[in-house]
Amino acid sequence: GESVGLHLPTLSVQEGDNSIINCAYSNSASDYFIWYKQESGKGPQFIIDIRSNMDKRQGQRVTVLLNKTVKHLSLQIAATQPGDSAVYFCAESNQGGKLIFGQGTELSVKP
Amino acid sequence: SQTIHQWPATLVQPVGSPLSLECTVEGTSNPNLYWYRQAAGRGLQLLFYSVGIGQISSEVPQNLSASRPQDRQFILSSKKLLLSDSGFYLCAWSLNSNTEAFFGQGTRLTVV
Repeated sequence: GESVGLHLPTLSVQEGDNSIINCAYSNSASDYFIWYKQESGKGPQFIIDIRSNMDKRQGQRVTVLLNKTVKHLSLQIAATQPGDSAVYFCAESNQGGKLIFGQGTELSVKP
Repeated sequence: SQTIHQWPATLVQPVGSPLSLECTVEGTSNPNLYWYRQAAGRGLQLLFYSVGIGQISSEVPQNLSASRPQDRQFILSSKKLLLSDSGFYLCAWSLNSNTEAFFGQGTRLTVV
């Protein structure tokens, strides 16, 4: 759900390792989920999405997993690179048009 | 191709002054439109969204308002700014409720 007032949690990984970023969503009626990457001073950029009739979707170096039972979403980044350092947000949407963002996680990649 | 324009990029306004931020989308019709606010080091707070011209849904009660005078134009306004209105304001659009949203570059508003 929306936790806009909280400081962002951080995840620090070594370059080349895999990263896993987790997100809990709040609305069981949400049927579309998106991961975004936001670099400092810029708007969020789309990474990957998944619909509620799927539990896994793969992109280039990224995989999104959806567990509707526990309302949990994760983003896996393979072979993390310094350019992956950013803040990552999950977002949930439903047919009503509302697009709600999760808390966000700051990913820091150490060379 | 579709593009979104949001301006200005930065804005410094005194407390009590009015605000008008404009966002326009090109290359599509009847998009969903969104206004978000982001405090430094925080998440994105949904302020308003619109699924059609003249249809505005407000998420957070506050001294801000939104309007959609044309299909691809979304305006965020305030009659009197507060210090707490400072933040990074982002406009976004999507084709519908089941496709990704695309964001503008944002407006950094500082109320002094």
